[in-house]
Amino acid sequence: AQKVTQAQTEISVVEKEDVTLDCVYETRDTTYYLFWYKQPPSGELVFLIRRNSFDEQNEISGRYSWNFQKSTSSFNFTITASQVVDSAVYFCALSGAGANSKLTFGKGITLSVRP
Amino acid sequence: KAGVTQTPRYLIKTRGQQVTLSCSPISGHRSVSWYQQTPGQGLQFLFEYFSETQRNKGNFPGRFSGRQFSNSRSEMNVSTLELGDSALYLCASSRGGGLSDEQYFGPGTRLTVT
Repeated sequence: AQKVTQAQTEISVVEKEDVTLDCVYETRDTTYYLFWYKQPPSGELVFLIRRNSFDEQNEISGRYSWNFQKSTSSFNFTITASQVVDSAVYFCALSGAGANSKLTFGKGITLSVRP
Repeated sequence: KAGVTQTPRYLIKTRGQQVTLSCSPISGHRSVSWYQQTPGQGLQFLFEYFSETQRNKGNFPGRFSGRQFSNSRSEMNVSTLELGDSALYLCASSRGGGLSDEQYFGPGTRLTVT
């Protein structure tokens, strides 16, 4: 069975602070995919990143960076110099590679960035 | 390119009624999946359709069903509505690689059951 744990439920930071959102996952699959999605107040989930289990390289995209560590089953997301527009709910998700794989989401982290 | 569209955006129904929600995927996307989002349970996978066939199913009762048409548009039906079915229902589309592909989500349909 798959499981995604986002232990942080709500985080509040002041603009320009760095913030890290944690994600820990469980799976028995050797091939799997990890995702981060952002859900702004409008409600529509926005895809941020997809990583497969064989690619442990960290990734940076502008102010966003992701740290994937198989040894600790974690896929953490860092926002550098946060902005008010980053305020949203952030979901980490996990899927297997087979045709019958499910997509399992964590409970989400509500990030509030105050001006 | 137009995004995923869902209709209606808001819906109020009474217990016992049935409801049909519609989803139009991004042009060229052949996979459509559905999710239920509630404050208590979070985001839960309902089912996925590809080429008019249900390819994957979550752990929901048989009152929840869906279908996909030849143009990849999809509908989701909930029969005998219960208060607990009140939720935001999200549809997502992908090119066809299944749930391991990146999903593009629609704005959702907010269903309220009274």
